[in-house]
Amino acid sequence: AQKITQTQPGMFVQEKEAVTLDCTYDTSDPSYGLFWYKQPSSGEMIFLIYQGSYDQQNATEGRYSLNFQKARKSANLVISASQLGDSAMYFCAMREGLYNQGGKLIFGQGTELSVKP
Amino acid sequence: NAGVTQTPKFQVLKTGQSMTLQCAQDMNHEYMSWYRQDPGMGLRLIHYSVGAGITDQGEVPNGYNVSRSTTEDFPLRLLSAAPSQTSVYFCASTPLAGVGETQYFGPGTRLLVL
Repeated sequence: AQKITQTQPGMFVQEKEAVTLDCTYDTSDPSYGLFWYKQPSSGEMIFLIYQGSYDQQNATEGRYSLNFQKARKSANLVISASQLGDSAMYFCAMREGLYNQGGKLIFGQGTELSVKP
Repeated sequence: NAGVTQTPKFQVLKTGQSMTLQCAQDMNHEYMSWYRQDPGMGLRLIHYSVGAGITDQGEVPNGYNVSRSTTEDFPLRLLSAAPSQTSVYFCASTPLAGVGETQYFGPGTRLLVL
């Protein structure tokens, strides 16, 4: 079974509008973390935002926010006021377990976001 | 701080050749990992290490070997390259005690096996 599912292979958004990228996850481990990364066409992996399984509040980092719904096992990324430079591939990832106990980072298949002027 | 560095940036191999992808980090991170990224897919874990002398397999370990003799270096070896190993390879590191900390990724190595 897929542990991280991103159901939107590609999305378009108008510049200056908000966009939500979907991510659902599956784990029985009570200690996990959820990450979003941006991969522009140049190929590097850019960390955007993190949400811990025990965090009570949704994470925010500038124009990025994470809509964390623990019971639904979803961790959607919201980008407000889209910019042309936001056009990229976006990956949701889950750290299952703790690194000092052999925890691993598992990635979804990604969503390609295109921002239209 | 150079962060995580990978060499080479690009490599072409013939089927059956061997090579080592180099990865180094200068952040004193205990946890290091190797991923491969194929077109249209997310990153998949090949091998990882929680410290010098300790390595373990990830999701797609077949055809790859690793070793970790120092904290800084985590090379990935392809013993007999196959076309199915054509991919982009990323190395990453993070502190072992890092809960909310991201893995820090290198720039990637693009490998083409003919």
